Amino acid sequence: GESVGLHLPTLSVQEGDNSIINCAYSNSASDYFIWYKQESGKGPQFIIDIRSNMDKRQGQRVTVLLNKTVKHLSLQIAATQPGDSAVYFCAENMRSNDYKLSFGAGTTVTVRA
Amino acid sequence: EAQVTQNPRYLITVTGKKLTVTCSQNMNHEYMSWYRQDPGLGLRQIYYSMNVEVTDKGDVPEGYKVSRKEKRNFPLILESPSPNQTSLYFCASSLGRPDTQYFGPGTRLTVL
Repeated sequence: GESVGLHLPTLSVQEGDNSIINCAYSNSASDYFIWYKQESGKGPQFIIDIRSNMDKRQGQRVTVLLNKTVKHLSLQIAATQPGDSAVYFCAENMRSNDYKLSFGAGTTVTVRA
Repeated sequence: EAQVTQNPRYLITVTGKKLTVTCSQNMNHEYMSWYRQDPGLGLRQIYYSMNVEVTDKGDVPEGYKVSRKEKRNFPLILESPSPNQTSLYFCASSLGRPDTQYFGPGTRLTVL
């Protein structure tokens, strides 16, 4: 079946270091991917997205990389700050259904001072 | 302020007692969706709506109903709640395709 998953459930990062969060997907028909951040007690918040015709996209302190060959997605956070501590989810949107979004299980990022 | 609101934020109920969780957005978004979040499972889509009177099932629709009579509101209805519906529920909306979805604050439901 189709699934979106994350390689590691938790990630501990030293403040100031770069973070890399990974996500694997299995459906080659997926053409749109989104990263969300969820802070404790809040709803998910959009971070960045990427379409399948791209392999890299940059935002403010964040970069998303897409490797369609191995169906892998990653989120890189530069100079990680305490406010980056949260659960990060990748989500995929499948070409066959524009309105259906499937989320991975999430990676908990903890920033050490 | 652009936002998605949900009510109630917390609810404890008993098996079989019908309940409704309301969701409202003030951004004139066409797309709205309901998710449930359980530990280790991430967010799973329950139902979504592409516009008024247009709804479709997500990954876990069993035991839930929705309606979209107005653009701004998308209530989630549990006709006969069961303990396995104990979860954290999120409503979300977006202008169109589910990109840049705005999520509500969540509703924590406990069914005894």
